[in-house]
Amino acid sequence: EPEVTQTPSHQVTQMGQEVILRCVPISNHLYFYWYRQILGQKVEFLVSFYNNEISEKSEIFDDQFSVERPDGSNFTLKIRSTKLEDSAMYFCAIFKGTEAFFGQGTRLTVV
Amino acid sequence: QKEVEQDPGPLSVPEGAIVSLNCTYSNSAFQYFMWYRQYSRKGPELLMYTYSSGNKEDGRFTAQVDKSSKYISLFIRDSQPSDSATYLCAMSDTGNQFYFGTGTSLTVIP
Repeated sequence: EPEVTQTPSHQVTQMGQEVILRCVPISNHLYFYWYRQILGQKVEFLVSFYNNEISEKSEIFDDQFSVERPDGSNFTLKIRSTKLEDSAMYFCAIFKGTEAFFGQGTRLTVV
Repeated sequence: QKEVEQDPGPLSVPEGAIVSLNCTYSNSAFQYFMWYRQYSRKGPELLMYTYSSGNKEDGRFTAQVDKSSKYISLFIRDSQPSDSATYLCAMSDTGNQFYFGTGTSLTVIP
């Protein structure tokens, strides 16, 4: 059973629309991460989230992005006004000790 | 200079061959090193984890870290067609933010 489950597996949205990507860890974790991978490119760090606060974020994670833990278990990544260049695979990850385990990803396609 | 450099390949080998995958890095503070395997359109799957320098072996896989040269390697012995995937190295100084290589695409030909 995977450590984290992501939904949806694929989302198509129109440019300018808001999207919410969800991640559910199998057990309670405090440290939580979002990464993205544009097709054919490297996995890029977006943000780390610890104990309901942003711990660290990259330059990619601008004002269009936000993270939340709305109900104590699910984690969400929100993109407020999607752009074509936001099309990518988005992965959430949790750490057990110092080993990172990734979800299967959400493929976001912005048209 | 990029934090992590990895030859993107593609690398194509016959079944049974020994595969060597490598990454170099620039940040001497890195001390956590991981190798991930990623199948097409799937999430990265943790393969090997090494802390600081040294070797680690798990079945057909061996991870090596040479901190003096800022160089890490993953060796796959007796490669199988099921090993065909993209292999990503990742590393961190604090264990908080991990920096990934671009990934090396490997194809093992039956």
